[in-house]
Amino acid sequence: TQLLEQSPQFLSIQEGENLTVYCNSSSVFSSLQWYRQEPGEGPVLLVTVVTGGEVKKLKRLTFQFGDARKDSSLHITAAQPGDTGLYLCAGAPPPPKDDYKLSFGAGTTVTVRA
Amino acid sequence: DTEVTQTPKHLVMGMTNKKSLKCEQHMGHRAMYWYKQKAKKPPELMFVYSYEKLSINESVPSRFSPECPNSSLLNLHLHALQPEDSALYLCASSQVGGSNQPQHFGDGTRLSIL
Repeated sequence: TQLLEQSPQFLSIQEGENLTVYCNSSSVFSSLQWYRQEPGEGPVLLVTVVTGGEVKKLKRLTFQFGDARKDSSLHITAAQPGDTGLYLCAGAPPPPKDDYKLSFGAGTTVTVRA
Repeated sequence: DTEVTQTPKHLVMGMTNKKSLKCEQHMGHRAMYWYKQKAKKPPELMFVYSYEKLSINESVPSRFSPECPNSSLLNLHLHALQPEDSALYLCASSQVGGSNQPQHFGDGTRLSIL
């Protein structure tokens, strides 16, 4: 399994502040998915990035896939308490290793204080 | 509301009990997954079914026995579990085609072994 290093592990910020979560690897991924998991629920897919250098925006969330498809970042602008949760990045290996096994990062627990 | 339904939401069982976890989806997905997740950690893949056939078993102990009776249902039969098996068990589904396909997760079954 390819290793995805996610940082930071924990992040506690005040409402209105910005935050960035990073996922890095020495391996190339054919795509990278970002999930958010709230307490008592399963992970919910936020976005999939596929093309190197791709930037996707989802309201206050901005996702970027590195040019070499080895890293990704999630930036949240003006965070709100509803953004609180466990953020997970997950990489899909390129063919011929495309065998349903996502490589998950360790997760970032984000707490936004009101 | 999640499109992948898992029952029960909570389960407490003794080490000698036999129980089953159930998962159902009606999105027409032909790939289904079982994951185990500990608190504030990423999900760990256990099993993958593709077209109702077991395609991946991540060296899971035989006290966990998966079953896919049809394209909409996935079961996980439990017997003689250990306290360290206490965790959140997540079911997911996706289109077939490998790990590039986004996975849709249920809200999980919180399992406690006494």
